[in-house]
Amino acid sequence: DARVTQTPRHKVTEMGQEVTMRCQPILGHNTVFWYRQTMMQGLELLAYFRNRAPLDDSGMPKDRFSAEMPDATLATLKIQPSEPRDSAVYFCASGAEGNTIYFGEGSWLTVV
Amino acid sequence: DQQVKQNSPSLSVQEGRISILNCDYTNSMFDYFLWYKKYPAEGPTFLISISSIKDKNEDGRFTVFLNKSAKHLSLHIVPSQPGDSAVYFCAARNGGSQGNLIFGKGTKLSVKP
Repeated sequence: DARVTQTPRHKVTEMGQEVTMRCQPILGHNTVFWYRQTMMQGLELLAYFRNRAPLDDSGMPKDRFSAEMPDATLATLKIQPSEPRDSAVYFCASGAEGNTIYFGEGSWLTVV
Repeated sequence: DQQVKQNSPSLSVQEGRISILNCDYTNSMFDYFLWYKKYPAEGPTFLISISSIKDKNEDGRFTVFLNKSAKHLSLHIVPSQPGDSAVYFCAARNGGSQGNLIFGKGTKLSVKP
């Protein structure tokens, strides 16, 4: 049963700390997305990669957020330093050639 | 500026009746539309999609209608079941953006027994 795997599922951290979220896309998928869900904004795109190359990260606050794909089986989203306004659910999704993308279960981040 | 809008934050329907969820978009370059369903504490799951060259796509109890001239699509669920209670997201793909999906803010559907 192929699925997108995200870790950690839940994270509570103090303001100013570094947070790293990891994603394992579905094997064979060449496009990876990071979305953030908040009450106010719904699902907003932060960044996405195709064949490990970043295509668009315009939705990401550049001063504190960074996204990378060290290899085809791992995508990371890092926040440094974290702030309370970063509290949200962060979803990773992956897709192959075509139109449908598949989401992981999300990483629930709380910054206190 | 929202390119994909779901103007109803919530919808309540009786079991067995039809649920109609609506979505409007502004970008005429969108070429593919999808609906995702999301249960609490889970990621969105793909439900049904439609290409801009079609006006209807049906899959079991779920039908999506597309009205390009009105830039409007809708998801019909019939008959509605309590297990359909979830948040439904409309999404659109910009044909020029290599697969990026733009999501609406979602509509919470409650199906009452």
